[in-house]
Amino acid sequence: NAGVTQTPKFHILKIGQSMTLQCTQDMNHNYMYWYRQDPGMGLKLIYYSVGAGITDKGEVPNGYNVSRSTTEDFPLRLELAAPSQTSVYFCASSIDGIPMNTEAFFGQGTRLTVV
Amino acid sequence: GQQLNQSPQSMFIQEGEDVSMNCTSSSIFNTWLWYKQDPGEGPVLLIALYKAGELTSNGRLTAQFGITRKDSFLNISASIPSDVGIYFCAGPGGSNYKLTFGKGTLLTVNP
Repeated sequence: NAGVTQTPKFHILKIGQSMTLQCTQDMNHNYMYWYRQDPGMGLKLIYYSVGAGITDKGEVPNGYNVSRSTTEDFPLRLELAAPSQTSVYFCASSIDGIPMNTEAFFGQGTRLTVV
Repeated sequence: GQQLNQSPQSMFIQEGEDVSMNCTSSSIFNTWLWYKQDPGEGPVLLIALYKAGELTSNGRLTAQFGITRKDSFLNISASIPSDVGIYFCAGPGGSNYKLTFGKGTLLTVNP
């Protein structure tokens, strides 16, 4: 069972470059989320999606964009990367929104460094 | 927005000791979740709590949903080295069912 798959696992990006973090889930979940994790700061929600074609901002959306053209995929786009975007990024999914179905399944994360 | 205060920030304990950590919220929560994150992995759900006063166990882990609905506790009994990791409390934040996380408790267990 693949669950939530994120690629790449690691990446180094130069300031000003753009890249897309990929996330796909094979559980037919409606809700998908992108979080970033900084040391000692917990996880902060960047964007989320309640279904294909629908996305919404979380706590820290600036500098990011998302799309949800299919149920399975929820890519996160970084435009004009900045050092402040150095972080570990986690994608997650759940059948419905919390708290209706409480288990969010997480991918293994993408460790991104912007230099 | 919703804020979760989790304490302690870190704990260093000896194998076999019991551990307790807690989480408080600035507002009422209807659900409390406890996740564990192993090094290099994503968080994994340990326990979910749905009712005020609820006490739920999962092996050596026990969690409680506070009566005021503004706090929750997680206890680990007889700790073992594989308990090492970061423990997060989480709950629904705002009106759109977004999951809000505490800052985590880093647990180190010395064998």
